[in-house]
Amino acid sequence: SQTIHQWPATLVQPVGSPLSLECTVEGTSNPNLYWYRQAAGRGLQLLFYSVGIGQISSEVPQNLSASRPQDRQFILSSKKLLLSDSGFYLCAWGRTEAFFGQGTRLTVV
Amino acid sequence: GENVEQHPSTLSVQEGDSAVIKCTYSDSASNYFPWYKQELGKGPQLIIDIRSNVGEKKDQRIAVTLNKTAKHFSLHITETQPEDSAVYFCAASPGSNYQLIWGAGTKLIIKP
Repeated sequence: SQTIHQWPATLVQPVGSPLSLECTVEGTSNPNLYWYRQAAGRGLQLLFYSVGIGQISSEVPQNLSASRPQDRQFILSSKKLLLSDSGFYLCAWGRTEAFFGQGTRLTVV
Repeated sequence: GENVEQHPSTLSVQEGDSAVIKCTYSDSASNYFPWYKQELGKGPQLIIDIRSNVGEKKDQRIAVTLNKTAKHFSLHITETQPEDSAVYFCAASPGSNYQLIWGAGTKLIIKP
């Protein structure tokens, strides 16, 4: 069966510090991979998606970037965090459906 | 592009009663309509989905109906229980390798 791992679960980072969130998927090959952000009490905002290694599409221009160095690995990064980057970050995989990880609660202070 | 509207934003029902959440979509090419349940502090989980070649799908206390002519689909939860309290999201997609377009979510509160 397929599983998705996302870490860390919570993260507190100072403004201006770098960020690296990692997501890996097991049990499938060549999945579509997604990064979403969710503000408190709000809906899901698609940040990036990838249909293959090295292929990244950005939905929202911002302070973040994504990379897919391996087929089942998706990384969300920032060089310098802003206060507005705080939120709940979710990785997902799928083709038609989307299967989510447990999320990372990021607080920028 | 596709646009999905979800109503209501908050729904409070008595335990044991039924709950209905509705979504409308704009793109007639959409043919896949999933529903997700998100519990506090967790990622959304797929609970039921429907494709455009069927009008209704049921899984125990949960059912989804689709009206392609009117471009709307609904989630029905019967005999609600406290563990049904969560945020529910609908979504629509033209199919594989296309993005899911999400509704804004409904916070379902089950009153004891």
